[in-house]
Amino acid sequence: DAEITQSPRHKITETGRQVTLACHQTWNHNNMFWYRQDLGHGLRLIHYSYGVQDTNKGEVSDGYSVSRSNTEDLPLTLESAASSQTSVYFCASSESRGQPQHFGDGTRLSIL
Amino acid sequence: DQQVKQNSPSLSVQEGRISILNCDYTNSMFDYFLWYKKYPAEGPTFLISISSIKDKNEDGRFTVFLNKSAKHLSLHIVPSQPGDSAVYFCAAYNDYKLSFGAGTTVTVRA
Repeated sequence: DAEITQSPRHKITETGRQVTLACHQTWNHNNMFWYRQDLGHGLRLIHYSYGVQDTNKGEVSDGYSVSRSNTEDLPLTLESAASSQTSVYFCASSESRGQPQHFGDGTRLSIL
Repeated sequence: DQQVKQNSPSLSVQEGRISILNCDYTNSMFDYFLWYKKYPAEGPTFLISISSIKDKNEDGRFTVFLNKSAKHLSLHIVPSQPGDSAVYFCAAYNDYKLSFGAGTTVTVRA
């Protein structure tokens, strides 16, 4: 069965360090998304990609970057981790506009 | 500015009764709406959707109603079951991007 996997599931790091969260999907979807979930805010879009070599900023993109070198992967990088980036991060993919997005199980990131 | 709002953070309902979850939106460009269900330590899973050209969509125990003039949608779960205890997110499509509400935690009491 097709799936979307995120790694690691949990990570603790220190402020100022670079952190990369992995997202891998086997749906063969062109569209991939990164969200963060915080209490009272639901899921907020960080970055998204409509295909290989395409990346776009979402509503909370400051301090984050992504790259898309193939269809399956969209890694999310925190260039210099800050305590405000402590959150649960979800990756998602979708086949096309209007189709449901499929989510991974999330990465819980703590920045001390 | 949050364009999708779920004003009730929590809802408690007795098993077998109806659960009604509400969602309001402000962006008239939204043309497709979805509900997601989320259990702790898991990702959101798609539940049901509705296009803006419809006012109702039904799937088993789940029905979503859309009132475009009021910019309001609701999710009805009948009858509520213990496995329905979860966080429910309302979401809306604008172009290829989803905007989410803050979520409503549903607790189904035995």
